[in-house]
Amino acid sequence: ETGVTQSPTHLIKTRGQQVTLRCSSQSGHNTVSWYQQALGQGPQFIFQYYREEENGRGNFPPRFSGLQFPNYSSELNVNALELDDSALYLCASSEGLVVREQYFGPGTRLTVT
Amino acid sequence: DAKTTQPPSMDCAEGRAANLPCNHSTISGNEYVYWYRQIHSQGPQYIIHGLKNNETNEMASLIITEDRKSSTLILPHATLRDTAVYYCIVLIQGAQKLVFGQGTRLTINP
Repeated sequence: ETGVTQSPTHLIKTRGQQVTLRCSSQSGHNTVSWYQQALGQGPQFIFQYYREEENGRGNFPPRFSGLQFPNYSSELNVNALELDDSALYLCASSEGLVVREQYFGPGTRLTVT
Repeated sequence: DAKTTQPPSMDCAEGRAANLPCNHSTISGNEYVYWYRQIHSQGPQYIIHGLKNNETNEMASLIITEDRKSSTLILPHATLRDTAVYYCIVLIQGAQKLVFGQGTRLTINP
């Protein structure tokens, strides 16, 4: 197991609602990346935070936003939920900006009804 | 977009070596080959990576062809716990994100 934790493990929301997912990075890691994994697909990069600043973003609309805190933990916020947002949301922590080994948490399963 | 091609599924008998192929014919000279795996209901797990030379660690071996257009991940003595989806990823050193394809679903049979 990695030292990356995510909460909650499962969540059910209705269309139009807002959701906040949380991630605690592994000790010593200052970079957190968020991925969305739809059923049967590989994870897709949402964005990355490095030292509390967004450091790159994938092809996701602005209603997907995030934060990173001084202790390097992170939040993913999704506004105006759509049915297609139903997915496993994964966070990964790493040291520095360079991708080498990313350590993933177990994910949060979000279901939008 | 993913730059790799992997078979969608493979089977292997427990105790035998599992050899997972990956084609990356458009790989450039400064791109690495990374392997991750995802066991059901867990996040992806880093396995190994390499540039040109073959690499080995406690989990697996990575064999990269001389022209670097393909590679093979080898699990030397597969166990039931190795059943997972295996992702082969090509990325430039300094890249900030992993680009996952569909991967290979490896099933280890008793």
